Amino acid sequence: GQQLNQSPQSMFIQEGEDVSMNCTSSSIFNTWLWYKQDPGEGPVLLIALYKAGELTSNGRLTAQFGITRKDSFLNISASIPSDVGIYFCAGQGSGGYQKVTFGTGTKLQVIP
Amino acid sequence: DTEVTQTPKHLVMGMTNKKSLKCEQHMGHRAMYWYKQKAKKPPELMFVYSYEKLSINESVPSRFSPECPNSSLLNLHLHALQPEDSALYLCASSQFGGPGELFFGEGSRLTVL
Repeated sequence: GQQLNQSPQSMFIQEGEDVSMNCTSSSIFNTWLWYKQDPGEGPVLLIALYKAGELTSNGRLTAQFGITRKDSFLNISASIPSDVGIYFCAGQGSGGYQKVTFGTGTKLQVIP
Repeated sequence: DTEVTQTPKHLVMGMTNKKSLKCEQHMGHRAMYWYKQKAKKPPELMFVYSYEKLSINESVPSRFSPECPNSSLLNLHLHALQPEDSALYLCASSQFGGPGELFFGEGSRLTVL
């Protein structure tokens, strides 16, 4: 089945620093999604990407749909304490629009 | 605030109990999902309903029984669960035929004793 690997698995950064994380797949995806999940809460959609090569921003967040369609990247600029949480990539592939597979997650901690 | 509402937020049950988790959305979405999430793991798909019909069952044990009474409601009936079924159960919805943008509720934290 499709697997999504995220890296890094976790990271500690200083407030104000920029953050980069990525997600790679063994399969091609048609849509890439990035979610943030706070403890005890459901994932919240941050950015959706629909075309290979697409670069999309949402405030301080920027994500890219890789050219090979097997990877995606998320950057957070000027991190703030509320950026703390787990970031999941998710992909929708050839299994149909309903089959959204989640990555392994990147846990972000911001040091004030 | 999330537009997908799940109740209860927390549930503790014994292995012989019967309980239900409920989910409601008013975004006009016609696809609804149940995901299971264990600690420090990504959500795992359990069931998908499209237009109130079960379209995907990811080989979930029969002690989990989903139900979609109408386009806005989704239930998950629980019976004879095991302690390893303890997890966060997430409901989500999306536009039918859409590109996979799932909108999640806050989840129901289930503990099986």
